[in-house]
Amino acid sequence: TQLLEQSPQFLSIQEGENLTVYCNSSSVFSSLQWYRQEPGEGPVLLVTVVTGGEVKKLKRLTFQFGDARKDSSLHITAAQPGDTGLYLCAGAGRKTSYDKVIFGPGTSLSVIP
Amino acid sequence: NAGVTQTPKFQVLKTGQSMTLQCAQDMNHNSMYWYRQDPGMGLRLIYYSASEGTTDKGEVPNGYNVSRLNKREFSLRLESAAPSQTSVYFCASNQGGEIRPQHFGDGTRLSIL
Repeated sequence: TQLLEQSPQFLSIQEGENLTVYCNSSSVFSSLQWYRQEPGEGPVLLVTVVTGGEVKKLKRLTFQFGDARKDSSLHITAAQPGDTGLYLCAGAGRKTSYDKVIFGPGTSLSVIP
Repeated sequence: NAGVTQTPKFQVLKTGQSMTLQCAQDMNHNSMYWYRQDPGMGLRLIYYSASEGTTDKGEVPNGYNVSRLNKREFSLRLESAAPSQTSVYFCASNQGGEIRPQHFGDGTRLSIL
C-alpha cells in the first residue's frame, strides 16, 4: 500500500507571509500532482511533476519533486487570501495500475487578510 | 463548457434506502472515477472505469456498485445505505494515464441517518 502523508494538516497565516507544505511517502512515485480544492467545489489541478529534483513555478507557487521521488513540497510566496483552500497531493506509483492515483489527506490553508 | 456534472448536489437518506448518484462529462474522456472524501482522509477511490464497458474496484468498493452507461456517463449506486457512507462523493474524468489531470465535479454531499 502506498501511503501519502501531508504536513501540516492545518495552516493559518497572515497575508504576505511565505509558507511551505509537504507531501511525503516511503514509496517511490513515477509522477506526482498537486491540486487545490475550494469549499463546495472539486479539486483543480495545479501542477504535475515527473522527474526527480524537478522544480516548477506557477506565479507565486513553487513545486519541487524530491530527488528520490518519494516526496514533494509546495512553497507559496507572499500568500494572498485567494490562496485559501485545501491543497492535495496525488501520486502515481510504478505498482499502481495505469489509471489510478493515490491522494494524500491534504493541507488546509487559511490566509487572513 | 460544463466539464463534469454531478447530480444531486445534496441528499439525505435513511439507513437501508437506496439511491444512485449520477455523473456526466462532456470532454470525451475515456476514464472516469468515483471517490469519497472524508475529513482527514483525503480522496479515496471507490470504483473507476478505464474505458466504456469496463469497471474496476478501487480502494473502498464495499457497499457500492457502478455502471458505465456510455462514454459520457458513470453512475454510483448505494443499494442499502449505511451511516458509514455519509460523505462527499466526487466524480472525475480524464483521458487515461496516471499523469493526465483529473477533472472533478463539484461533489454530492450525502448524509445517511
